[in-house]
Amino acid sequence: ILNVEQSPQSLHVQEGDSTNFTCSFPSSNFYALHWYRWETAKSPEALFVMTLNGDEKKKGRISATLNTKEGYSYLYIKGSQPEDSATYLCASPSSGTYKYIFGTGTRLKVLA
Amino acid sequence: DTAVSQTPKYLVTQMGNDKSIKCEQNLGHDTMYWYKQDSKKFLKIMFSYNNKELIINETVPNRFSPKSPDKAHLNLHINSLELGDSAVYFCASSPGGGATGNTIYFGEGSWLTVV
Repeated sequence: ILNVEQSPQSLHVQEGDSTNFTCSFPSSNFYALHWYRWETAKSPEALFVMTLNGDEKKKGRISATLNTKEGYSYLYIKGSQPEDSATYLCASPSSGTYKYIFGTGTRLKVLA
Repeated sequence: DTAVSQTPKYLVTQMGNDKSIKCEQNLGHDTMYWYKQDSKKFLKIMFSYNNKELIINETVPNRFSPKSPDKAHLNLHINSLELGDSAVYFCASSPGGGATGNTIYFGEGSWLTVV
């Protein structure tokens, strides 16, 4: 059974600070790693999909890296802003199937 | 235009009732899903459909019956509602399965409260 884990569970940072959190997943039978941003009462919004070891993706102040050999991905936010406050989810498909397994999320709160 | 839309957004109903949540996607995707956000805020897969066919049924009680009349729709019918069914249910779609890293697009969720 694929187990996707995220840490920390929650995080408070000051506006302007940079931060990062981790997603770990089994390195065998890897297909893809997704990052989503999820604001309360809204739908999860895709940030990145990464498939290759060493992939780095960037969208504005947010970036992500992927290490499939050791089974982890980092999400970085540079110069955090209050509007970055959300839950950040990672997900990976189980053996390439139609079953995406989501991590428990990292709840980020950026304090003004 | 909302890519994945689900209705109703809020539903309060009594135990024992039967209710449905409808979902439609206008993205031309082949695959649709139902996810449940449980009490611990986890997103858990319930069902996956590809081209109207059931692919994944994640040990969901048979009171939950999904129906896909066509590729663009995946409705969720729940019989004999129980208190424990109270949750947020998310519909989603993707171009295909996970092997090629297809992005999942989510609806805004349907908040079901059983009283």
